[in-house]
Amino acid sequence: DTEVTQTPKHLVMGMTNKKSLKCEQHMGHRAMYWYKQKAKKPPELMFVYSYEKLSINESVPSRFSPECPNSSLLNLHLHALQPEDSALYLCASSQDRGLAGYNEQFFGPGTRLTVL
Amino acid sequence: AQSVTQLGSHVSVSEGALVLLRCNYSSSVPPYLFWYVQYPNQGLQLLLKYTTGATLVKGINGFEAEFKKSETSFHLTKPSAHMSDAAEYFCALGGNTGKLIFGQGTTLQVKP
Repeated sequence: DTEVTQTPKHLVMGMTNKKSLKCEQHMGHRAMYWYKQKAKKPPELMFVYSYEKLSINESVPSRFSPECPNSSLLNLHLHALQPEDSALYLCASSQDRGLAGYNEQFFGPGTRLTVL
Repeated sequence: AQSVTQLGSHVSVSEGALVLLRCNYSSSVPPYLFWYVQYPNQGLQLLLKYTTGATLVKGINGFEAEFKKSETSFHLTKPSAHMSDAAEYFCALGGNTGKLIFGQGTTLQVKP
């Protein structure tokens, strides 16, 4: 299985809602990533988990809260978001964090989030 | 500092014509380079990667890229464009912090 899955595919939420995005991989990868992508722009890294521990937080606002319950699952909890947070949220995984930079990342299809 | 520059935010070719998407990088350590493709409303799919060894790298869907250290380039080519190649293409550099450093992307349009 060489797939990263993400649910839901689409999500519409109000600014006072609490919702969660889910990501799953069964490739035995030990690094998992959350990215935010605006239209016609490259993905922007948000968080990196390595061996189920948060290793990078790119100064993301606290209204985004990541969680890694086990090595196959990654969640992104959303609360009190702003309309400018509307974007495609991508999950990715790699064999490990690859500090030498050689590990390719495998991306999921993304969750299209709209904040009203 | 490491960086990636993709020359041309939009490239238009006719079906059957050569595709050339340009990528230049800057890195103080040996680079690991990737090309990803993104179709509308989808995630990124790895086309090919260069780590070490052969400088001409073959990928999926008939794409290939050549690593040229002297020119700090990793341009993506395909001999004959197909309508299904229309997409967004990202060149990326494997950073030494474990992050992927992306170029700004190139939109490939294929005209019939």
